Amino acid sequence: SSELTQAPAVSVALGQTVTITCQGDSLTTYSASWYQQKPGQAPVLLIYDQSSRPSGIPDRFSGASSGDTASLTITGALADDEADYYCNSRDSNYFPLFGGGTRLTVL
Amino acid sequence: QVQLVQSGGGLVQPGTSLRLSCSTSGFSFSGYGLHWIRQSPGGGLEWVAFMSHDGRHTYFAESVKGRFTVSRDNPKTTFFLEMNKLRPEDTALYFCAKDRRPLYDHGDYEFDRWGRGTLVTVSA
Repeated sequence: SSELTQAPAVSVALGQTVTITCQGDSLTTYSASWYQQKPGQAPVLLIYDQSSRPSGIPDRFSGASSGDTASLTITGALADDEADYYCNSRDSNYFPLFGGGTRLTVL
Repeated sequence: QVQLVQSGGGLVQPGTSLRLSCSTSGFSFSGYGLHWIRQSPGGGLEWVAFMSHDGRHTYFAESVKGRFTVSRDNPKTTFFLEMNKLRPEDTALYFCAKDRRPLYDHGDYEFDRWGRGTLVTVSA
């Protein structure tokens, strides 16, 4: 079966830029989306269709893709961006598939 | 304003059943597929099940296939997850989530609205 691999944890200094990556074979076929989840809350869709933002999502969040790797970039990180970030796409059965998540710490 | 309000859940013994509900408002319910997604304690997200906008198509993760069913009541804009033969490994926070795109017979993988989650604990 397919997998989407994310680094378990990443840190960024306040105001700096950080990129979170997601690697998997299915990303050569399907675009990635990204979710932010804060403790005790439901995930929120940040990026869909690889690089599009839903209304209300700040343009500090951007998505890109190259080959089998998708990336989420946060430009000018805020303390409020401290959260878990999940990528998702499809697996080989066409079902939704999530990456393991990356915990972002803002220093 | 789109809302997905969840209910059900609780502490149950292994081998028993439980039904979760997801009551929705603020969007054209009959036009969107819906999913259940779970998160084990301290863990990541796992897709569980899908039902298409018209109820004609359902899909399940291998881990729950044959034990879980989904249904929807379009007039009451409510989505359900019926869980049978529960196992300790089914312990998780269960979210309902809405397809981003309408009328996807086989399920979107982009979820633009989520419920707040309901906790299911399976333990003797």
